[in-house]
Amino acid sequence: YEVTQPPSVSVSPGQTATMPCSGDKLGEKYVCWYQQKPGQSPVLVIYQDSKRPSGIPERFSGSNSGNTATLTISGTQAIDEADYYCQAWDSTAVIFGGGTKLTVL
Amino acid sequence: QITLKESGPTLVKPTQTLTLTCTFSGFSLRNNGVGVGWIRQPPGKALEWLALVFWNDDKRYSPSLQSRLTIAKDTWKNQVVLTMTNMDPVDTGTYYCAESITMLRGRSLYMDVWGEGTTVTVSS
Repeated sequence: YEVTQPPSVSVSPGQTATMPCSGDKLGEKYVCWYQQKPGQSPVLVIYQDSKRPSGIPERFSGSNSGNTATLTISGTQAIDEADYYCQAWDSTAVIFGGGTKLTVL
Repeated sequence: QITLKESGPTLVKPTQTLTLTCTFSGFSLRNNGVGVGWIRQPPGKALEWLALVFWNDDKRYSPSLQSRLTIAKDTWKNQVVLTMTNMDPVDTGTYYCAESITMLRGRSLYMDVWGEGTTVTVSS
């Protein structure tokens, strides 16, 4: 099983960033998202499609339907510039997407 | 507070076996739904999942690396050990361990806390 992410997404400060993650019938699986800044370990920002862990700002949200899961950042800030990875689980293997580099211009 | 720390050699020679240890605190591998996973990241590249061990000693491996990997837990020492045989320069990268949480009758799995990672270089 594979999931696909666009290599890069650009957004202006204050605008909404949307990052897709695509896979066959992905909506039937649960997806989570990680943020990774240069030189740092990944941080969980969304789990079970749309839940935010404690300490993650409300501007981060997620959805999953059909073949696409989406991470949305509303009111994007410069500190949100990072790589974002989606991850699915099919009960036998963990599947990571190739990651999307979010640039805040 | 949950913490995980990876340890092991920073340099291994091609064909050697790599052994990494994840030492954790703040959670127990005796608890239902809890696991520990290993993930690696070559320089400048994406995350790649390697292996998982669950509270009930169930194990899962990356299909592409399964023949080279072994994962084992020591619940009392709060440690998880990963071995990878026949190391190659393409295995160079940062290796992370992370606590995994399984919910919703096993349909949901995510890594909620990650270690800082350990860098492994494979070179003669």
